Amino acid sequence: EAGVAQSPRYKIIEKRQSVAFWCNPISGHATLYWYQQILGQGPKLLIQFQNNGVVDDSQLPKDRFSAERLKGVDSTLKIQPAKLEDSAVYLCASRRRSGTYEQYFGPGTRLTVT
Amino acid sequence: GNSVTQMEGPVTLSEEAFLTINCTYTATGYPSLFWYVQYPGEGLQLLLKATKADDKGSNKGFEATYRKETTSFHLEKGSVQVSDSAVYFCALSDRRIQGAQKLVFGQGTRLTINP
Repeated sequence: EAGVAQSPRYKIIEKRQSVAFWCNPISGHATLYWYQQILGQGPKLLIQFQNNGVVDDSQLPKDRFSAERLKGVDSTLKIQPAKLEDSAVYLCASRRRSGTYEQYFGPGTRLTVT
Repeated sequence: GNSVTQMEGPVTLSEEAFLTINCTYTATGYPSLFWYVQYPGEGLQLLLKATKADDKGSNKGFEATYRKETTSFHLEKGSVQVSDSAVYFCALSDRRIQGAQKLVFGQGTRLTINP
């Protein structure tokens, strides 16, 4: 089966600009996650969707970050306006259903804010 | 809150050496524990998991045992290969929200194996 797809792979923007990332999970996976991985740290969960509903967005900086998952499939994560500290790799992951453990990760989008 | 602490890297070993990467955790309740691996240019992949105390997860020659008494989940391999060079992440599942399976990761340990 095809893995989790993300685009773009790399993005460089100036601070105060906006940016959007796209994720296509594995077909049939109900749960989708966005993680932020700052250099030298482990991934940190930003938001979790179950189908097209939000399960957990407690660590999403809602003043500048937004995410949606229309129709319970693809998802987009947006940052507006970006700050220097948003420079990180943004990882998307999906999981088949409740009760299963494995999350499948995409290759990530590396964002550099200058 | 829940947290995971890994031994600091980078770790450099020679091929066929014995590997241990330490991982300890702090959690309420009884989390599941995982090791993920990230090869250069690729996404994270699940390496092994353990869902309850005394469980041993194993895969590709790697092993880790869920030790509740020491709150540890150390990763071991008896004889490493150059192809094991990667970043290794210890993680636990946080199910504070019912139905959610939120992973809390350690900071990662970069492993380099020299031929």
